[in-house]
Amino acid sequence: GENVEQHPSTLSVQEGDSAVIKCTYSDSASNYFPWYKQELGKRPQLIIDIRSNVGEKKDQRIAVTLNKTAKHFSLHITETQPEDSAVYFCAASRKTGNQFYFGTGTSLTVIP
Amino acid sequence: EPEVTQTPSHQVTQMGQEVILRCVPISNHLYFYWYRQILGQKVEFLVSFYNNEISEKSEIFDDQFSVERPDGSNFTLKIRSTKLEDSAMYFCASSEALWQYFGPGTRLTVT
Repeated sequence: GENVEQHPSTLSVQEGDSAVIKCTYSDSASNYFPWYKQELGKRPQLIIDIRSNVGEKKDQRIAVTLNKTAKHFSLHITETQPEDSAVYFCAASRKTGNQFYFGTGTSLTVIP
Repeated sequence: EPEVTQTPSHQVTQMGQEVILRCVPISNHLYFYWYRQILGQKVEFLVSFYNNEISEKSEIFDDQFSVERPDGSNFTLKIRSTKLEDSAMYFCASSEALWQYFGPGTRLTVT
């Protein structure tokens, strides 16, 4: 089955700096890669996603890149703010209705 | 914006007891899922459900677990005889297509 690895497990940045979280996957059949943000005690919320036919996608301060050949994808947050502090999970999936395979999470702390 | 809802928010039960966790998926969604998250760990898939049957399940989803869609709105997860290691946050999710929307979770504590 699919194995998703995520690094780093913890990340601290100064407010205004950029944060990068990286994930790798093992199943070449995976073609959909969402990112979730989970604040303490709350539900995971989808913040951005990318499909395998696209190399990069951007939404305001958040961007995701995908390298299918190397089987890795990354989340980039620019101009970080304290409210970006949360645990971020990457995931991989094959198609609609299939399970998401989650990474182990990155705890991001933005220091004011 | 419609959201997935779950009840109860917290369930405490004794080892060996049966529990039923309830979810109301978003109304036009066709795919339903249960995941669990042990404290401090990653989210793990349990089961997916489509067209009134299980479409995929993980190794965690053994004979102690079952799912049901008893009516047009609810989606339930039953654990027949709970074990200490079943203590976790259980998330229901639903999707119309690729995006999966998560509920707020039920924290299950088995004592």
